[in-house]
Amino acid sequence: DAGVTQSPTHLIKTRGQQVTLRCSPKSGHDTVSWYQQALGQGPQFIFQYYEEEERQRGNFPDRFSGHQFPNYSSELNVNALLLGDSALYLCASSLSLYNEQFFGPGTRLTVL
Amino acid sequence: GQQLNQSPQSMFIQEGEDVSMNCTSSSIFNTWLWYKQDPGEGPVLLIALYKAGELTSNGRLTAQFGITRKDSFLNISASIPSDVGIYFCAGRGAAGNKLTFGGGTRVLVKP
Repeated sequence: DAGVTQSPTHLIKTRGQQVTLRCSPKSGHDTVSWYQQALGQGPQFIFQYYEEEERQRGNFPDRFSGHQFPNYSSELNVNALLLGDSALYLCASSLSLYNEQFFGPGTRLTVL
Repeated sequence: GQQLNQSPQSMFIQEGEDVSMNCTSSSIFNTWLWYKQDPGEGPVLLIALYKAGELTSNGRLTAQFGITRKDSFLNISASIPSDVGIYFCAGRGAAGNKLTFGGGTRVLVKP
C-alpha cells in the first residue's frame, strides 16, 4: 500500500521563475492538502483540494495555485518565485475532508 | 491569525528518562494532533485527540486534550535513542481540515 508520494525530491530555481510540484495521495484517499515548511519552523497550510476544487486556503498570495486531477493527484504551482519561497513543500492526503492527514516526504525547493 | 506556542523549543534526553512537552493556543481547537518528523521526511502522526479532557496513549506516548480546548501535552516515557527527532503539535478548528502547527520541540540525545 503506497503512501503519499511527491516529486521531485529536490528542486533549484532562480527568482522570477515558475515551479510545479506534484503529489500522489495515499491509496484510497481523495483529499489533498499542501503545506509550506520553512527551515526550523512548523508547516503552514497553503490550501486543500477535494473533488477537484480548492476547498480551503491559508494566508498565501495568488502566486500559489493548485490543481487536483480526477485520479485525486495534485499539483502545486508557484509563479514569480521569491527567495522567501525556499522551503520544504509537504503534501498530505486524507479520506474525505475531515479525516486525519498523512504526509509525504516533501519537495525541497531552493530559490537562488 | 491562530498561533500555537510549543515548549520547550528543544530538550536533551538520556535513555530511560521521561520527556514532556506542551502546546498552547490563543484559540479553541476541536482536534489536537501530535506528529514526529525525522530528517528528510514528512511528519508522521503519533496521536490524535478529539474531546476536551481526553487522555490517549500509543505505546510509550501519552497525550491529553486540555479542558479549555486551548492546550495539549505529550509525554514520552522511558525514552530510547529513536525518540530523537522533532515533535509538532497541530490543531484543527471547526471549519475545514486545515491544520495549524506549533513551532516544534527538537528532542536531542544528551552527549
